[in-house]
Amino acid sequence: DVKVTQSSRYLVKRTGEKVFLECVQDMDHENMFWYRQDPGLGLRLIYFSYDVKMKEKGDIPEGYSVSREKKERFSLILESASTNQTSMYLCASTREVGQPQHFGDGTRLSIL
Amino acid sequence: RKEVEQDPGPFNVPEGATVAFNCTYSNSASQSFFWYRQDCRKEPKLLMSVYSSGNEDGRFTAQLNRASQYISLLIRDSKLSDSATYLCVLTGYSSASKIIFGSGTRLSIRP
Repeated sequence: DVKVTQSSRYLVKRTGEKVFLECVQDMDHENMFWYRQDPGLGLRLIYFSYDVKMKEKGDIPEGYSVSREKKERFSLILESASTNQTSMYLCASTREVGQPQHFGDGTRLSIL
Repeated sequence: RKEVEQDPGPFNVPEGATVAFNCTYSNSASQSFFWYRQDCRKEPKLLMSVYSSGNEDGRFTAQLNRASQYISLLIRDSKLSDSATYLCVLTGYSSASKIIFGSGTRLSIRP
């Protein structure tokens, strides 16, 4: 079974802090994704990566950056956290577009 | 028009009932279709892929209607444990950015 592991289930940070969310997958998948999920808005794609060091913006990249130095790890960075970035963050991976995505458990991030 | 639309519900049905819901999509180039379920405060998990000819997995039946651009999910003999939010997901062929999630339909099964 594919395992996608996110570094924290719950995280509380302060406005202005730099926040790192880590995601690791163990199935050698090329594609990795970061989403946020908010009530009434569904999942929204922040960034995705289709290979090491490759990244593309999703629908809502503002205020975020990503890093993919190794195939198994995809990091989401909030450069200067703001309260409107309080959300559930979900990482996912898939071998090919067109195949189902596998999700991590999610990180509930609160920015105070 | 939204790329994917789902009735948010909630659908509140008694245990043992049959329930069905649809997901309509606007991009006729969509290639792959899936249903995911998401329990409260948990991550989405794949329920089933949707094939052109329709497919069944136990009590669950998924269908695709390309002409009318919708997919459907039918749950027979519903169980309390089926209570969840059901998300439809579509992908294009060429770009990972074309993976589109519906906002979900909430289903609640009552005893």
